[in-house]
Amino acid sequence: DTGVSQDPRHKITKRGQNVTFRCDPISEHNRLYWYRQTLGQGPEFLTYFQNEAQLEKSRLLSDRFSAERPKGSFSTLEIQRTEQGDSAMYLCASSVGGDRSYEQYFGPGTRLTVT
Amino acid sequence: GQSLEQPSEVTAVEGAIVQINCTYQTSGFYGLSWYQQHDGGAPTFLSYNALDGLEETGRFSSFLSRSDSYGYLLLQELQMKDSASYFCAYNAGNNRKLIWGLGTSLAVNP
Repeated sequence: DTGVSQDPRHKITKRGQNVTFRCDPISEHNRLYWYRQTLGQGPEFLTYFQNEAQLEKSRLLSDRFSAERPKGSFSTLEIQRTEQGDSAMYLCASSVGGDRSYEQYFGPGTRLTVT
Repeated sequence: GQSLEQPSEVTAVEGAIVQINCTYQTSGFYGLSWYQQHDGGAPTFLSYNALDGLEETGRFSSFLSRSDSYGYLLLQELQMKDSASYFCAYNAGNNRKLIWGLGTSLAVNP
């Protein structure tokens, strides 16, 4: 399977704990995006990488959230001191650069439940 | 501000044609995308319009009018498997981040 993969698919954690999610994009894609989606809503942009550089981070994202993409390959999203409001589906997407960069390929998501 | 509006629900029958409208308001606009999402699944890309006019991809077509800040997705020859949520999203900036609407839930009945 050469699509976008995410791990884990589900995560249940207690409030105050830290969690880390991993995304493996399509190998030739240099752009990587993280989104968050709650029930009945569209995905909400969190952050964007071009290769290893994090070029944009949503102003809605608190300092508890951090993302990395070492070596421009896989990416990790860490949430520190989780809160119940962090419960959501966390989606990763990747795309090529240039004219077709608008076509984003999404992974299956990581569903986070904070109890 | 930045926002998109689309109907929350649409119902149609197999074989019919349905149009899902999307209006947007933004200070920066590079194009309008459409994605399909089945329950529990990931969004999948359907179509993109950077310029005014109609883009056709099989049973799906998408239209954009930049002057009216309006677009639509047209689904023809509806099938049961088309029952899903459909999102319009615009590309904001050169980084192509997507700003999404709330989605339209399409129910296709026999």
